[in-house]
Amino acid sequence: QSALTQPASVSGSPGQSITISCAGTSSDVGGYDYVSWYQHHPGKVPKLMIYDVSKRPSGVSNRFSGSKSGNTASLTISGLQAEDEADYYCNSYTSSTTLVFGGGTKLTVL
Amino acid sequence: QVQLQESGPGLVKPSQTLSLTCAVSGASISSGAYYWSWIRQHPGKGLEWIGYIHYSGNTYYNPSLKSRVAISVDTSKNQFSLKVSSVTAADTAVYYCANSAVVAPDIWGQGTMVTVSS
Repeated sequence: QSALTQPASVSGSPGQSITISCAGTSSDVGGYDYVSWYQHHPGKVPKLMIYDVSKRPSGVSNRFSGSKSGNTASLTISGLQAEDEADYYCNSYTSSTTLVFGGGTKLTVL
Repeated sequence: QVQLQESGPGLVKPSQTLSLTCAVSGASISSGAYYWSWIRQHPGKGLEWIGYIHYSGNTYYNPSLKSRVAISVDTSKNQFSLKVSSVTAADTAVYYCANSAVVAPDIWGQGTMVTVSS
């Protein structure tokens, strides 16, 4: 299985909104509503931010939202804050009953 | 509150088998509500899903690792394990265990660094 495709980096200024894309195929992202997003600060444990495309776990800020169109999922962070600077990974269930991660996106808050 | 803790050797010799254990607290590994996953991150690289197991014994593996990986459950100790055979330097990574109440791994252990070197 191939890794999902994410941009290597995105950036934004405090208060702005950014969107990170996650491109897959009809066998993963496009075929199931089981896309999730993780925030990973280096040296820390990855944190689940979005699951099932657009659901937020308890305790996750509503500044984080997820969506999907066709074979591409997106994570949007609104009201960007310095603490949002981290690596972000998408993940999807696949038709092979496996999971696959994206390559990761480094978010820089300017 | 589910908590997970990885344990195992931090150094493994090439061609040997890497063995890690994940101790589970706050939930029964026999609960049919969860899948139990292993995920790794190579130094400076992204996350790689290794595989997961249901307490019933059903296992699912990353196709690129399937021939060398085995995940098992020990219900008596409330833990699950990972074995990776014939390791090379390419298996050097931080290994995480995680559980999934939904499809996505949601509770993660702290991670353990494993280096493959002679």
